Amino acid sequence: ETGVTQTPRHLVMGMTNKKSLKCEQHLGHNAMYWYKQSAKKPLELMFVYSLEERVENNSVPSRFSPECPNSSHLFLHLHTLQPEDSALYLCASSQGGGINNSPLHFGNGTRLTVT
Amino acid sequence: AQSVTQLGSHVSVSEGALVLLRCNYSSSVPPYLFWYVQYPNQGLQLLLKYTTGATLVKGINGFEAEFKKSETSFHLTKPSAHMSDAAEYFCAVSAPGTASKLTFGTGTRLQVTL
Repeated sequence: ETGVTQTPRHLVMGMTNKKSLKCEQHLGHNAMYWYKQSAKKPLELMFVYSLEERVENNSVPSRFSPECPNSSHLFLHLHTLQPEDSALYLCASSQGGGINNSPLHFGNGTRLTVT
Repeated sequence: AQSVTQLGSHVSVSEGALVLLRCNYSSSVPPYLFWYVQYPNQGLQLLLKYTTGATLVKGINGFEAEFKKSETSFHLTKPSAHMSDAAEYFCAVSAPGTASKLTFGTGTRLQVTL
């Protein structure tokens, strides 16, 4: 399998539930990202991991908790979400972030609905 | 700081007609510019990118874009639209060396009609 794989593709959860989104990349990249895509809004960068260390957190509420156990895997742990958190969550990976500025490779996303 | 403006949230063209999707950017440093495409129920796929050098860049599926510094634009074009081009297109900008700071536009949905 190649590319960036996200599971599950769809998730419906209540506001009191705890769930996790999973992302796996098979491209040998060393940086991974979580983006939130809401209708009629630009993609919002949530978290960036480079070499398994979190290097960016764009003021994301604490009900979203990322985890990057190794350079191929990225998780987003969710708890006590709000209905406005319903969106498409996209994972991406890239190689480096320096002069090479490798483009992002995206997964197909997880469509999250909070009820 | 960077920003991207995509003019027109929806564009409709006939099959075989010229496709023109507009993107203007703002950047305090020489920008890197990207176009991504998103098909229904899928993630974003890179169409093309401009970093340095030739200002006319060619991408996949017959698309190309031209970096015009004087107009701060990076419009996406394709001479002849195909039904399979129907998708959402995103323009994005970053500063050199900061791949993690990609700023996206709000997207343009392209409809192709018979």
